[in-house]
Amino acid sequence: DAGITQSPRHKVTETGTPVTLRCHQTENHRYMYWYRQDPGHGLRLIHYSYGVKDTDKGEVSDGYSVSRSKTEDFLLTLESATSSQTSVYFCAISPDRGEKLFFGSGTQLSVL
Amino acid sequence: RKEVEQDPGPFNVPEGATVAFNCTYSNSASQSFFWYRQDCRKEPKLLMSVYSSGNEDGRFTAQLNRASQYISLLIRDSKLSDSATYLCVVNGGGSYIPTFGRGTSLIVHP
Repeated sequence: DAGITQSPRHKVTETGTPVTLRCHQTENHRYMYWYRQDPGHGLRLIHYSYGVKDTDKGEVSDGYSVSRSKTEDFLLTLESATSSQTSVYFCAISPDRGEKLFFGSGTQLSVL
Repeated sequence: RKEVEQDPGPFNVPEGATVAFNCTYSNSASQSFFWYRQDCRKEPKLLMSVYSSGNEDGRFTAQLNRASQYISLLIRDSKLSDSATYLCVVNGGGSYIPTFGRGTSLIVHP
């Protein structure tokens, strides 16, 4: 299995608080992605990165920011969490664009 | 129209049956295609890539039809352990952003 770790695995927080999710990889892959998965919507792309300090928005980026200061780490931040951001968040990596994705185990986030 | 569409199912089949899923995509410039398997509350895992000439891996066969813009997954001799959600992924256009279908649920019963 690809070396990809997400933390935390579970998080419960209150509306209006900031939350940061971390994705760490040991594969030295160039591309990293953050997806959220909700019933009826499938996996939707939030943000992705194609290199250190190189990021771009996905389909559902409003309310989220990301940072990638090192190849191995991709952080997803909810500046002020809302109940609509309750979801399962998956990080994925790939060696290059168009290549297969490898996923982390996911983070279950509940915003109360 | 969504970029990538799948029949959500569920497909309910007996053990030993053959079952096929399709996935249609809207971007004719799409370049790479994959099938993933996702078990309940787990991360998606790569099942197989889909090549232009079609490819097979044991009981699983994947095909690409560029003219009609769909990919397919055929599962022969279904096992109980094949019960899962099957996701198709399409990397489209110049950005190569991977886009997922919503998945097709398969239930294999004894």
